[in-house]
Amino acid sequence: GNSVTQMEGPVTLSEEAFLTINCTYTATGYPSLFWYVQYPGEGLQLLLKATKADDKGSNKGFEATYRKETTSFHLEKGSVQVSDSAVYFCALSDHGSARQLTFGSGTQLTVLP
Amino acid sequence: GAVVSQHPSRVICKSGTSVKIECRSLDFQATTMFWYRQFPKKSLMLMATSNEGSKATYEQGVEKDKFLINHASLTLSTLTVTSAHPEDSSFYICSAPLQIPGPFWEADTQYFGPGTRLTVL
Repeated sequence: GNSVTQMEGPVTLSEEAFLTINCTYTATGYPSLFWYVQYPGEGLQLLLKATKADDKGSNKGFEATYRKETTSFHLEKGSVQVSDSAVYFCALSDHGSARQLTFGSGTQLTVLP
Repeated sequence: GAVVSQHPSRVICKSGTSVKIECRSLDFQATTMFWYRQFPKKSLMLMATSNEGSKATYEQGVEKDKFLINHASLTLSTLTVTSAHPEDSSFYICSAPLQIPGPFWEADTQYFGPGTRLTVL
C-alpha cells in the first residue's frame, strides 16, 4: 500500500535559518505529491504540489522537487520566518485511489525570533 | 480560491449522545468528500469517502454504524457520530477535491475544512 514517511519533529530554528523537512514515499503507479501546512487553530492548507517526476513545486519561498529515483519530496526554504511556525504534512495521491490522500505524520516547526 | 467550511468548529457533548458535523464546499461542487480524524500530534487518518447520491465507503476498522455519513447534495456532506463515547473525542476534518477534467486523475487539489473539535464527556 501507499505510505509517506516524514522526518520526526519537532524542529526548532532561528529566524532566517535554512529549513529542510525530509519526506519519502512508497506508492504504486505515479503518485502526485503534496505539502500541506497547518497553522495553529486552522485547517490544512495546500502549500505546494508536484504531479510528475522532476517537477518542482514552490510557494511562499518553500520548494520541493519530486525525485522518483529516491522516492523523495523534501521540503526546503532558504530563510524561515516566525510566521512559518506550523505543522507541515507531506502527502501523496495515487491516481488509482479516487484521489484520497495518504499523509505523513507531520512535522512541527517552530521558528524563534 | 475554493473554500470548504465545517460546522460546528467545536462541540462538547455527553457520552451516549449523537453529534452531527457538517462539511460544505462553498464555491464549487464536490461529488466526493473525505472525512479524516486527527489525533493529537499525529497524522490524519482517513475514515471514509463520502459519495453524493450513494453510500459512503469506509476505511478498514472504521465502524460505519457509529460514524454515519450522508452526502445529501453536491455541496454538503454530514458526519454523525452516534452514541458518542470519550474515545471518540478527536479533531474531525473533511476535505473536498476540486476536480480537474481530463483523461487522468490529475493532481486535483484537496481543500480542507478548518476541522471540528469533538469532546465527549
